[in-house]
Amino acid sequence: DAGVTQSPTHLIKTRGQQVTLRCSPKSGHDTVSWYQQALGQGPQFIFQYYEEEERQRGNFPDRFSGHQFPNYSSELNVNALLLGDSALYLCASSGTAGYTFGSGTRLTVV
Amino acid sequence: SQQGEEDPQALSIQEGENATMNCSYKTSINNLQWYRQNSGRGLVHLILIRSNEREKHSGRLRVTLDTSKKSSSLLITASRAADTASYFCATTQNSGGSNYKLTFGKGTLLTVNP
Repeated sequence: DAGVTQSPTHLIKTRGQQVTLRCSPKSGHDTVSWYQQALGQGPQFIFQYYEEEERQRGNFPDRFSGHQFPNYSSELNVNALLLGDSALYLCASSGTAGYTFGSGTRLTVV
Repeated sequence: SQQGEEDPQALSIQEGENATMNCSYKTSINNLQWYRQNSGRGLVHLILIRSNEREKHSGRLRVTLDTSKKSSSLLITASRAADTASYFCATTQNSGGSNYKLTFGKGTLLTVNP
């Protein structure tokens, strides 16, 4: 049973560029959440998608947007990248019980 | 903003010893969860304790919850080198049916020396 799959594993982008990160949830899970984890910090909630709609959003600017597809997979898009967007981006899926996290995408903005 | 604060920030012990980490939070909660993270990779769920529970065990893990003090502790008994990781507490808040996010603390870095 595959867990949560995130791609790519690592990514280097230049300031001002746009990036798309992808997440496939664990089989049987219909809800996907995204978190940003800066170095030495705990993860911060970005948003959660359920039934292809953004159900809840954290304190992140509109440069951060997302999408959920009918197969429950999800994308996180970040526009106009800033150096401060460098972080580990974690996807978590959930169903009726508990969260399963992916291994994350390490984004470096130079 | 962070909901929880773990204490200590870093802990170094010898293999076989017990490790205790604490977590404090600010608002009323539905449940509190502990996660482990190895080398900045994905989070692994360890244990969940609900707001009406006081203690829970899972293998070598023991979690306590004191809602009056808004605090929790995670005890790892008979530690192993493989337990070396960062440990985070995360809460879901008790604010009706519209709050789904996990709010994490800053974590405790545990080093278990062989």
